[in-house]
Amino acid sequence: GDSVTQMEGPVTLSEEAFLTINCTYTATGYPSLFWYVQYPGEGLQLLLKATKADDKGSNKGFEATYRKETTSFHLEKGSVQVSDSAVYFCALLYGGATNKLIFGTGTLLAVQP
Amino acid sequence: DAGVTQSPTHLIKTRGQQVTLRCSPKSGHDTVSWYQQALGQGPQFIFQYYEEEERQRGNFPDRFSGHQFPNYSSELNVNALLLGDSALYLCASSHEFGLVYEQYFGPGTRLTVT
Repeated sequence: GDSVTQMEGPVTLSEEAFLTINCTYTATGYPSLFWYVQYPGEGLQLLLKATKADDKGSNKGFEATYRKETTSFHLEKGSVQVSDSAVYFCALLYGGATNKLIFGTGTLLAVQP
Repeated sequence: DAGVTQSPTHLIKTRGQQVTLRCSPKSGHDTVSWYQQALGQGPQFIFQYYEEEERQRGNFPDRFSGHQFPNYSSELNVNALLLGDSALYLCASSHEFGLVYEQYFGPGTRLTVT
């Protein structure tokens, strides 16, 4: 079945460090891919998305490229801030009748000043 | 423009009891999905409602049921609560014909079963 695998956390970085959180997926079709962020005690916020191969999603300095050949959607940011500390979830979704998100287990990012 | 709202914020129930959680979708959205997020895990899809009908369902027992009202708001009901039902329950709304079926999440209801 379809699934999403994320690198295990926690990921601990110093402020201004480069961030990569790995995400790979298994899918029978051609899903859209998403990154959601969850701050402590809150629900999920959509961070960025990509709908087809080679698309690059970006938002708030975060980027991820939909790589069909490697079935990956790695999240990157050039310079993290303390305020980026949160749990990050990679997810896939098919549209139409199967309109449900399939999430990875999440990666906790802790950024230290 | 109000986003997705959920109530209550927190809830404590005893094993065997029943619980109802509520969700109001983002303005303009007509589809509501429910997810269960256990501690330290990613959300798991429970079911989705569109046009007041359950359109699809995840791997959850019949103890989990739902409803969607004409104003698109939704309820999640869980009967015969088990300790393992303790989780954050998230509601997400979307538009059937929206861009890429983006789903917007509410803040969740934290359910604790003792």
